[in-house]
Amino acid sequence: QKEVEQNSGPLSVPEGAIASLNCTYSDRVSQSFFWYRQYSGKSPELIMSIYSNGDKEDGRFTAQLNKASQYVSLLIRDSQPSDSATYLCAVNIGRTGGFKTIFGAGTRLFVKA
Amino acid sequence: KAGVTQTPRYLIKTRGQQVTLSCSPISGHRSVSWYQQTPGQGLQFLFEYFSETQRNKGNFPGRFSGRQFSNSRSEMNVSTLELGDSALYLCASSSLAGGNEQYFGPGTRLTVT
Repeated sequence: QKEVEQNSGPLSVPEGAIASLNCTYSDRVSQSFFWYRQYSGKSPELIMSIYSNGDKEDGRFTAQLNKASQYVSLLIRDSQPSDSATYLCAVNIGRTGGFKTIFGAGTRLFVKA
Repeated sequence: KAGVTQTPRYLIKTRGQQVTLSCSPISGHRSVSWYQQTPGQGLQFLFEYFSETQRNKGNFPGRFSGRQFSNSRSEMNVSTLELGDSALYLCASSSLAGGNEQYFGPGTRLTVT
């Protein structure tokens, strides 16, 4: 089992719809969770961080965390063609010597105009 | 604030050679993490440095090494290059150790022939 798993997609949604991106992780002691957006040919860009169970909203983005189910998701409301990118879920995993960040393989999102 | 900078942006090397990549973090950030990104393996953690000390490392062979200077700038070295080392190498800076919110540089595209 991979430490961080995401559906690779592609996920295709029409403009104005809600895009739902999901991520599961294996390490029960993980405390920090992040979503990054990566446009083709560019480096990842941090868009959301979440540390507590529940929802965290930032503009059109909502991150949801359920530690009991080891599940974190990202909702994008009113999706725009400019949201078309690969979305990477990242989880801090504790190891001897400290934490390290493990990234999922990413979900490709296409927003159709 | 200036972002994370990486040099060089592109590099072509021959098998067996060695290479050094450089990363300057965001001013005030003391943590620098390095990642390798390939289409097949995604984003993989190489190591993290904080205040000139390596805090954690990923599952890469000893040919991959790094260091951090007192001004928080970091270098990554790969010796005896192999074809499979062709990848995008990304560094990310953070104000805290342990892989918290990270901000990525543009990356160095390494091609090994």
